Amino acid sequence: GAGVSQSPSNKVTEKGKDVELRCDPISGHTALYWYRQSLGQGLEFLIYFQGNSAPDKSGLPSDRFSAERTGGSVSTLTIQRTQQEDSAVYLCASSPQGLSTEAFFGQGTRLTVV
Amino acid sequence: EDKVVQSPLSLVVHEGDTVTLNCSYEVTNFRSLLWYKQEKKAPTFLFMLTSSGIEKKSGRLSSILDKKELFSILNITATQTGDSAVYLCAVAQGGSEKLVFGKGTKLTVNP
Repeated sequence: GAGVSQSPSNKVTEKGKDVELRCDPISGHTALYWYRQSLGQGLEFLIYFQGNSAPDKSGLPSDRFSAERTGGSVSTLTIQRTQQEDSAVYLCASSPQGLSTEAFFGQGTRLTVV
Repeated sequence: EDKVVQSPLSLVVHEGDTVTLNCSYEVTNFRSLLWYKQEKKAPTFLFMLTSSGIEKKSGRLSSILDKKELFSILNITATQTGDSAVYLCAVAQGGSEKLVFGKGTKLTVNP
């Protein structure tokens, strides 16, 4: 595709529900990253994929958070039993050769937990 | 703990003014520093700086890195209302593909 595509663009969910956020990277990009941006904060790294494997998942804040990537393309970030502190913009980025310094960001998913 | 600190957190100027945004960092195994412009949600890349003292320039925007004092500045001359955005500074580290971001500087340019 022309750019990194994320869906949905906005999601409102009730506390305790599970949510899935989707990221479609730029075609041919081997690396994919998830970041979270809470209100008034900078971007916080969550996880990095190279192909289908995740060499660095050190930023996932708890075991309620998980992510997978299939076919070296689409990635899904799943948050189980959502809490109000999970409310944030979740940004996905991809890069052609695995260098974070060459990453292109998507428009993000704004998650609101009520 | 690795950290990137940006200042000021917010800035309001008039069109035509020149602004300087600051970014200081304390990280292990520094590789490069990046500046992004964030309007609405998606950060867009502005500059990547790896070497000290070499100015990067793009139109009215320029940036320079000081690896001895561990900071970078982003200058915007003759500001326009379209420059209104959050400017993010991030650091890349050797041996890692995660970027460490500052909280950003929110710039508002009034007509």
